[in-house]
Amino acid sequence: KNEVEQSPQNLTAQEGEFITINCSYSVGISALHWLQQHPGGGIVSLFMLSSGKKKHGRLIATINIQEKHSSLHITASHPRDSAVYICAALTPRQLTFGSGTQLTVLP
Amino acid sequence: EPEVTQTPSHQVTQMGQEVILRCVPISNHLYFYWYRQILGQKVEFLVSFYNNEISEKSEIFDDQFSVERPDGSNFTLKIRSTKLEDSAMYFCASNGDRQETQYFGPGTRLLVL
Repeated sequence: KNEVEQSPQNLTAQEGEFITINCSYSVGISALHWLQQHPGGGIVSLFMLSSGKKKHGRLIATINIQEKHSSLHITASHPRDSAVYICAALTPRQLTFGSGTQLTVLP
Repeated sequence: EPEVTQTPSHQVTQMGQEVILRCVPISNHLYFYWYRQILGQKVEFLVSFYNNEISEKSEIFDDQFSVERPDGSNFTLKIRSTKLEDSAMYFCASNGDRQETQYFGPGTRLLVL
């Protein structure tokens, strides 16, 4: 059974700070998703990656397959980045979700 | 941009009643999924569906649950006899290939009284 752990659970930052959220998983996966969940509950997919690094605007996701670890970085954080960030590991047949990181960015 | 839609956005029902949650996946997608999130907890996988049959289901997806693609556009989740513990947000998702990004619908918040 795949276990997906995220840290930290909660993160408060000042606007402009560089943020890192970590995700580790216990079994081999084919890909890892990073998702954003807004206060209303809606889920938006940010990245899906199976190796290396991906960048979209101020968001960067990296994955180390050997170490079973991924990170999501936010550069120049902004209050609108406040949300829950969830990693989800894709095994061949299903997604297993982490419990999420509640990010609050203060102006 | 195409999106996954779900109806209703909220549903309140009495324990023991049947509910049907509806989803319209993105039109050229072939893989469909249901997830649930109990308030304050992780998102959990329920079931995946491809080529008109279930391809994977979790332990949560017991005989009370069923899925159907009744026509070319809708994908439904039926809970036969709801229990209090079925209260959750239910998300539908779809993708064109299992290895692609999944696109999530906005969710249906189900409250069982």
